[in-house]
Amino acid sequence: DVKVTQSSRYLVKRTGEKVFLECVQDMDHENMFWYRQDPGLGLRLIYFSYDVKMKEKGDIPEGYSVSREKKERFSLILESASTNQTSMYLCASSRRTDTQYFGPGTRLTVL
Amino acid sequence: QKEVEQDPGPLSVPEGAIVSLNCTYSNSAFQYFMWYRQYSRKGPELLMYTYSSGNKEDGRFTAQVDKSSKYISLFIRDSQPSDSATYLCAMIASGGGADGLTFGKGTHLIIQP
Repeated sequence: DVKVTQSSRYLVKRTGEKVFLECVQDMDHENMFWYRQDPGLGLRLIYFSYDVKMKEKGDIPEGYSVSREKKERFSLILESASTNQTSMYLCASSRRTDTQYFGPGTRLTVL
Repeated sequence: QKEVEQDPGPLSVPEGAIVSLNCTYSNSAFQYFMWYRQYSRKGPELLMYTYSSGNKEDGRFTAQVDKSSKYISLFIRDSQPSDSATYLCAMIASGGGADGLTFGKGTHLIIQP
């Protein structure tokens, strides 16, 4: 079975803090994704990566950056957290043109 | 243009009923179709995956795709309270790409015991 893990299930941070969310997959998938999910807005793509050290902006990249130094690991970085970044963050991975497998999510609260 | 329409619900049905969940889409390039189930405060899990028009059955679940009408459905037979969740449809165009799936916003399903 595909396994995607995220570093934290729940996280509480203060405005202005730098936040790191880590994602690891164990299926040697080429593609990795970061989404946020908010009520009424559905899943929105923040960034994705199709290879090591490669990254592409999704629909809502502002305020976020990513890092993919190894194939199995994809990190999402909030440089200076703000209250409007309070959300559920979901990581996913896939083969090149295949369906995605999701991690359990990180519920981030920014105070 | 990315556009997938899905009724957000909530859809409330009694235990044992047949449930029908639907999505429509406008992009004829979509060729692969998925249904995800998401329990509260959890990540989405892949439920069904189809790539052609017609029906695909897996236990109590049947996925149906009608490409001519740009309409996909998920049927749940003998619904159980444990089926209560949000169901998201998703689709991807043939050949691509790394930018991933296009999701519906999800239908919140409640099965009443």
